[in-house]
Amino acid sequence: DGGITQSPKYLFRKEGQNVTLSCEQNLNHDAMYWYRQDPGQGLRLIYYSQIVNDFQKGDIAEGYSVSREKKESFPLTVTSAQKNPTAFYLCASSTGYTGELFFGEGSRLTVL
Amino acid sequence: AQSVTQPDIHITVSEGASLELRCNYSYGATPYLFWYVQSPGQGLQLLLKYFSGDTLVQGIKGFEAEFKRSQSSFNLRKPSVHWSDAAEYFCAVGVSYSSASKIIFGSGTRLSIRP
Repeated sequence: DGGITQSPKYLFRKEGQNVTLSCEQNLNHDAMYWYRQDPGQGLRLIYYSQIVNDFQKGDIAEGYSVSREKKESFPLTVTSAQKNPTAFYLCASSTGYTGELFFGEGSRLTVL
Repeated sequence: AQSVTQPDIHITVSEGASLELRCNYSYGATPYLFWYVQSPGQGLQLLLKYFSGDTLVQGIKGFEAEFKRSQSSFNLRKPSVHWSDAAEYFCAVGVSYSSASKIIFGSGTRLSIRP
């Protein structure tokens, strides 16, 4: 079955630690995205990548980093510089042509 | 700047009743419009999309939406809701046809169903 796999689903970390969220897709999509979701605020774009070895900042990139070494993979690192990292993180992919996003099931990060 | 407004944070309707969720956008040109649905703790699923042509678009699960340029609106409707429709609904606008990276989401409307 084609789709997007995010892991872990739940993650707890101490303040000041970096954490990396995994996102893998087997849809053969060129474009991949990371969104952050907070209650009442909808989805906000963190980073996106439209091709391997290239990525751009979204609206709230500060305190986050990404890499895109393979078409299938787009991991997100939440660094200690992110002031309020507790949130629900969603990864998505797209062919980039239709504009339709395909989402993973999300990762919930709680920083203690 | 482009924006999407969903004025209703939370709506409750009775099972079997009709539903309309409102969405207004701000964008200078013809936008590409989407409705997504999210069950608790899950990712988002596309319900329907509008790119061009017929302004009334049909989606999955019996949903439809109508694009009204004069009102900058793209309201979602369903004639008879089912308990399984309880979820959060997001309207989104894509401002570039070739680049999904410009998709902007509204803040969402949570739908509850009264038995």
